[in-house]
Amino acid sequence: GIQVEQSPPDLILQEGANSTLRCNFSDSVNNLQWFHQNPWGQLINLFYIPSGTKQNGRLSATTVATERYSLLYISSSQTTDSGVYFCAPRGNSKLTFGKGITLSVRP
Amino acid sequence: SAVISQKPSRDICQRGTSLTIQCQVDSQVTMMFWYRQQPGQSLTLIATANQGSEATYESGFVIDKFPISRPNLTFSTLTVSNMSPEDSSIYLCSVAGSTEQFFGPGTRLTVL
Repeated sequence: GIQVEQSPPDLILQEGANSTLRCNFSDSVNNLQWFHQNPWGQLINLFYIPSGTKQNGRLSATTVATERYSLLYISSSQTTDSGVYFCAPRGNSKLTFGKGITLSVRP
Repeated sequence: SAVISQKPSRDICQRGTSLTIQCQVDSQVTMMFWYRQQPGQSLTLIATANQGSEATYESGFVIDKFPISRPNLTFSTLTVSNMSPEDSSIYLCSVAGSTEQFFGPGTRLTVL
């Protein structure tokens, strides 16, 4: 199956800072999603982005499928951005989750 | 996007007992999935719940331990059988939309 590697594993930001989260995957994919798991465990859909760039407020994502990576940009971070960010590409019919990136935003 | 609810939201159970988790979706969906998230870990797919046929289990998961029902296109249950402390996890139901997958709020299970 697809191997997914996310980096960095942990990230601490001061409120207002910007950051880039990276997701590398080992095989061709026809779907890729980014999720935010908040401290209560809820998984929130951030982006469906098999290729190209999308923006939603302070967040944006870029997937370069030919080079097998995706990036999630967080600008002007807020304490509510804290949690775990998962990248999940799908090669056939199943999403494969990375190990996640734990983000802590300090006030 | 689909609205997914799960019951119970959390439970504390004794080892050797079983717990059935319910997943309800606000629209008809073809594909439903059950995931497990062990403490501090990522999500692992347990099985795909198929309407009208047996669930399809991933490697390492068996029907005797995790029986699944899918009586219609909006509902599914996952049972965690003969529980041990190693089964303490968050169990999440998920559905496939036309492009994205969506997840329920999860059931946080603690086994003593």
